[in-house]
Amino acid sequence: RKEVEQDPGPFNVPEGATVAFNCTYSNSASQSFFWYRQDCRKEPKLLMSVYSSGNEDGRFTAQLNRASQYISLLIRDSKLSDSATYLCVVNGADSSYKLIFGSGTRLLVRP
Amino acid sequence: EPEVTQTPSHQVTQMGQEVILRCVPISNHLYFYWYRQILGQKVEFLVSFYNNEISEKSEIFDDQFSVERPDGSNFTLKIRSTKLEDSAMYFCASSGGDLSPGELFFGEGSRLTVL
Repeated sequence: RKEVEQDPGPFNVPEGATVAFNCTYSNSASQSFFWYRQDCRKEPKLLMSVYSSGNEDGRFTAQLNRASQYISLLIRDSKLSDSATYLCVVNGADSSYKLIFGSGTRLLVRP
Repeated sequence: EPEVTQTPSHQVTQMGQEVILRCVPISNHLYFYWYRQILGQKVEFLVSFYNNEISEKSEIFDDQFSVERPDGSNFTLKIRSTKLEDSAMYFCASSGGDLSPGELFFGEGSRLTVL
């Protein structure tokens, strides 16, 4: 089983749509969870940390289910500028320094 | 806005040559990292550096690789004898002590092409 697994997509949605991405991780001892965004041939950028109670940042909502080892990201009212690859990231359980990246889910928002 | 800067943006080298990739992390950050991304693949951890020493390294980070913080501002990655499979984008990242170690700021990357 991959350490961090994501549906590669692409998800092709119209502007204004709501879209959800899911991610599973294999190590139950992981403690920190994040969503990063990566534009084509650019560096990853932190979108948001994911907390156990769930958290929201504007149009973005992240959820964590530790029992199922499952992380989600919901984007409401999609904008053209949301088109990117969304990376699910967890820390290595044996260290808080090492981040393990998923392969990413590609989102295309069309006019 | 403070940023992580990397040089060179692109380097082409012959197999077997030594390469040094340079990074200037954000000035008040304490943790420094190198990650790499082979074209079309996921971002992979190479090494983390804290308090002037390596805190963790991956299986990829073998004896051909080394890191150094020579002068308190630069953070370098050296590949001693490059191989074809070292061709990738190398990202430097840093994070601050008051942030979660997972909240990283990445540089724009150095693309290494080994011929």
